[in-house]
Amino acid sequence: ILNVEQSPQSLHVQEGDSTNFTCSFPSSNFYALHWYRWETAKSPEALFVMTLNGDEKKKGRISATLNTKEGYSYLYIKGSQPEDSATYLCAFKGSGKIIFGKGTRLHILP
Amino acid sequence: DGGITQSPKYLFRKEGQNVTLSCEQNLNHDAMYWYRQDPGQGLRLIYYSQIVNDFQKGDIAEGYSVSREKKESFPLTVTSAQKNPTAFYLCASSIDTGNEQFFGPGTRLTVL
Repeated sequence: ILNVEQSPQSLHVQEGDSTNFTCSFPSSNFYALHWYRWETAKSPEALFVMTLNGDEKKKGRISATLNTKEGYSYLYIKGSQPEDSATYLCAFKGSGKIIFGKGTRLHILP
Repeated sequence: DGGITQSPKYLFRKEGQNVTLSCEQNLNHDAMYWYRQDPGQGLRLIYYSQIVNDFQKGDIAEGYSVSREKKESFPLTVTSAQKNPTAFYLCASSIDTGNEQFFGPGTRLTVL
């Protein structure tokens, strides 16, 4: 059974602080790793699609790294802002269907 | 405007009735997906379709059925065999199954 784990499940961060969280996935038959941001009352939106081992992607204050050999990806947020409050989902695509993790719920404290 | 739509936003049904949730996209995407979200759970895949006239079961397909007769449309029927149908249902599409998914606004189904 393929499993995608995200940690922590929930995170409270002071505004202005930087933070990161983890997505663990199977290290075999890797095709792609997706990160999505899901804000309350909205639909999930893609942040990154990562396909190569060692990939680093950046969008503003958010960046992500990928290690396919050991099966993990980190998402970093620099200088957290209130608008960063959301659930961050990762999704693993191997040779079969895509599998989502349960997400990390990020709360930014003013 | 290109996008993916779901209707209705809220749906109420009596126990024992089948109900069909609509999902339409005009993004010219080959792949489409149905997910279910319950409190405290992530997105769980119900069914997906890689191309028109083809679909596969996801992780929780029991009690659900789909069709993919047109590229733009991927309706989901929640049958009376689904034991716990009350949930939030999200539809998504992508160029292919490896690329980023675009999600619809969701349908909240409540079975009374």
